[in-house]
Amino acid sequence: DAKTTQPNSMESNEEEPVHLPCNHSTISGTDYIHWYRQLPSQGPEYVIHGLTSNVNNRMASLAIAEDRKSSTLILHRATLRDAAVYYCILRDGRGGSEKLVFGKGTKLTVNP
Amino acid sequence: KAGVTQTPRYLIKTRGQQVTLSCSPISGHRSVSWYQQTPGQGLQFLFEYFSETQRNKGNFPGRFSGRQFSNSRSEMNVSTLELGDSALYLCASSLATGGGYGYTFGSGTRLTVV
Repeated sequence: DAKTTQPNSMESNEEEPVHLPCNHSTISGTDYIHWYRQLPSQGPEYVIHGLTSNVNNRMASLAIAEDRKSSTLILHRATLRDAAVYYCILRDGRGGSEKLVFGKGTKLTVNP
Repeated sequence: KAGVTQTPRYLIKTRGQQVTLSCSPISGHRSVSWYQQTPGQGLQFLFEYFSETQRNKGNFPGRFSGRQFSNSRSEMNVSTLELGDSALYLCASSLATGGGYGYTFGSGTRLTVV
């Protein structure tokens, strides 16, 4: 399984943008980049995913480097409800192996 | 629409007993996966089912088993419970297989083995 590397923790202030980085230097051409987050006492929540182009949805934006060896999850205006552990995961687009390999993720703290 | 439903939410069992956990995926989702989460090991993949067939299995002993029914509902069973099986067990469903689809997780079943 291709691996991802994320900082252990990050801190942000409320209503400021947050950029969460992820390195995936061994990514293959068929790997999608997925982001999930887990709030305390809840199951993980899907945030966003992409393959090559930058992606936007109501929760966040995903910026993917041109060589695809890194990506950044962008929360445009952090709120206290965004405090969670964020996981960057690679999923093979060909299917056949559906497991999500979770690392330790990045614990995001949002200060009021 | 209804999310992924896991029952029960909490469970206390004694060592040596067995337990069955249930997961109802989002309507129309055919892929169901199970994960174990503990403070020490984090989130670990247990197994994945698609159209009633187990497609992948994680590195867990044979005491952990599962199945999927024709309506995509899934159950996992743990026999001869050990103290180390205490964990949050999470179920996730996806519309189809492949990296282009995201997973929706349930809130989990918190199992405590005493």
